[in-house]
Amino acid sequence: DAGITQSPRHKVTETGTPVTLRCHQTENHRYMYWYRQDPGHGLRLIHYSYGVKDTDKGEVSDGYSVSRSKTEDFLLTLESATSSQTSVYFCAINLGTGAPGNTIYFGEGSWLTVV
Amino acid sequence: AQSVSQHNHHVILSEAASLELGCNYSYGGTVNLFWYVQYPGQHLQLLLKYFSGDPLVKGIKGFEAEFIKSKFSFNLRKPSVQWSDTAEYFCAVNGPGSARQLTFGSGTQLTVLP
Repeated sequence: DAGITQSPRHKVTETGTPVTLRCHQTENHRYMYWYRQDPGHGLRLIHYSYGVKDTDKGEVSDGYSVSRSKTEDFLLTLESATSSQTSVYFCAINLGTGAPGNTIYFGEGSWLTVV
Repeated sequence: AQSVSQHNHHVILSEAASLELGCNYSYGGTVNLFWYVQYPGQHLQLLLKYFSGDPLVKGIKGFEAEFIKSKFSFNLRKPSVQWSDTAEYFCAVNGPGSARQLTFGSGTQLTVLP
């Protein structure tokens, strides 16, 4: 257990509404990530953070924004949800502090359905 | 940019059969390689990882993987699968300059028949 909590775990929302997913970690790990998982695509990186207020875009960042005002929380926001954003969203943390390759652990996922 | 290919999308085996799932990556430099497993309805769990050293790495639940640099491959193996190994398996790579993120393959669904 890497101490990652995602909320909400399940959500159904309407097209055009804003949605925020929260990822909370219980330890002060520097790197946090948001991935989405879709059939046939594996996991694709949306955004990541390398510190408080330090974030950057991943492979599929369009339509998403993130914020990290505290080390322990990393928020993913869909400003205006679309049906193409129906997916399972996974938060992840990197347990290492040094060179690339430190192991990444995942939260339990947030199932989002946009109707 | 890095990419990862998992050529087997769905593999069906009987219990006690041997397993080999293919994984190839595109990056030519130093890489770190991972296999994750996802049981139905659950999150990804780390099976094993390769950073350096012995190219044959052993993970949990009897899984192992072999890194072959010349073939850009990191295939997952298990000598004898069980029904409980039914899951989706993801190969992932992390290379220099990738901001410590992982690039994933599209996954292989393994179904083990009792």
